[in-house]
Amino acid sequence: DVKVTQSSRYLVKRTGEKVFLECVQDMDHENMFWYRQDPGLGLRLIYFSYDVKMKEKGDIPEGYSVSREKKERFSLILESASTNQTSMYLCASSRQRINEKLFFGSGTQLSVL
Amino acid sequence: GQQVMQIPQYQHVQEGEDFTTYCNSSTTLSNIQWYKQRPGGHPVFLIQLVKSGEVKKQKRLTFQFGEAKKNSSLHITATQTTDVGTYFCAGPSSARQLTFGSGTQLTVLP
Repeated sequence: DVKVTQSSRYLVKRTGEKVFLECVQDMDHENMFWYRQDPGLGLRLIYFSYDVKMKEKGDIPEGYSVSREKKERFSLILESASTNQTSMYLCASSRQRINEKLFFGSGTQLSVL
Repeated sequence: GQQVMQIPQYQHVQEGEDFTTYCNSSTTLSNIQWYKQRPGGHPVFLIQLVKSGEVKKQKRLTFQFGEAKKNSSLHITATQTTDVGTYFCAGPSSARQLTFGSGTQLTVLP
């Protein structure tokens, strides 16, 4: 089975801090994604990557950046955390084929105080 | 941009009752996927529908894709407490991107 591992289950940060969320997948998937999940809003795509060092903006990229230096690892960066970035962050991966199913990590609940 | 709307947002049913959630897209979809997220868990892929009018079954779950490929539904027959969770539909907004509906949170009362 595909395993997508997110480094932290819960994270508490202060406003203005730089925050790194890490995600690793073990199935050699080309595509990796970062979503945030908020009640009533479903899952919204922040950024995705289809290859090493490649990235594309999703629907809500403002306030975030990403890094993909290795195929298995995809990092989400909050340059200066704000309270409106308090959310559940979900990492996902999929194979290269068009619209392949997503495999999700367990999520990181981030609280920005 | 593309929008995927899902109703209802919440549904409470008595165990043994049926449940249906509906998904509507603002654009024609090449396919639609369904995911289930248990409380405290992460979304898990259930199924993908590709053909117009397609109907697929997984035990008590029946998935339909509309003839115009702009809507879909998930029907659960005789719900059980193990069906509790949030059900999401998702449609492609590009070759690599999926747009998710807002989900339907199902509560099953014993």
